[in-house]
Amino acid sequence: SAVISQKPSRDICQRGTSLTIQCQVDSQVTMMFWYRQQPGQSLTLIATANQGSEATYESGFVIDKFPISRPNLTFSTLTVSNMSPEDSSIYLCSPERGKQFFGPGTRLTVL
Amino acid sequence: DAKTTQPTSMDCAEGRAANLPCNHSTISGNEYVYWYRQIHSQGPQYIIHGLKNNETNEMASLIITEDRKSSTLILPHATLRDTAVYYCIVAIYNQGGKLIFGQGTELSVKP
Repeated sequence: SAVISQKPSRDICQRGTSLTIQCQVDSQVTMMFWYRQQPGQSLTLIATANQGSEATYESGFVIDKFPISRPNLTFSTLTVSNMSPEDSSIYLCSPERGKQFFGPGTRLTVL
Repeated sequence: DAKTTQPTSMDCAEGRAANLPCNHSTISGNEYVYWYRQIHSQGPQYIIHGLKNNETNEMASLIITEDRKSSTLILPHATLRDTAVYYCIVAIYNQGGKLIFGQGTELSVKP
């Protein structure tokens, strides 16, 4: 398995602001996935991040709204930009080491 | 879109076996069947995965039909702590095979 920590664990933000979520893994992983889980819904994949290359975004998600950094093999960030109440969700990073593991996520509320 | 079909919800009596079905009729030859579960307010937890042979670990057993078009996750002695949403997912293993989540099965284990 993998030990995954995300910061912040939760936040309440104002409309129009941005929040950067950090994901730290206890060992090196090649691929990192970012998901969103809206209230009462299943998980939706936002993007896949490899170290040293630009992230690959799923349909419906764009880099301007969800920029991702992957500076090394143990760390990644997801920024939720220009937030609106519709962005209120749990955001989860998921490193892959053979199989994907999930951290506890970041619970974001946008007012 | 998710490539699997699962019942929306199931009940199981505590101490009895829970059998969770999943249909994946369009599975490709290089795709594995993964099972994850999500207990309320937590990130998804990996349970088990398999390609074509039946698999068993300390948590569960996975039975895959010979044609690989369906599978069943078996929790041999369900406890109240097994109450969760169970996700069946097909994906390529260990090569960036991203997990696309469907709606899952909400399993309620009752005393």
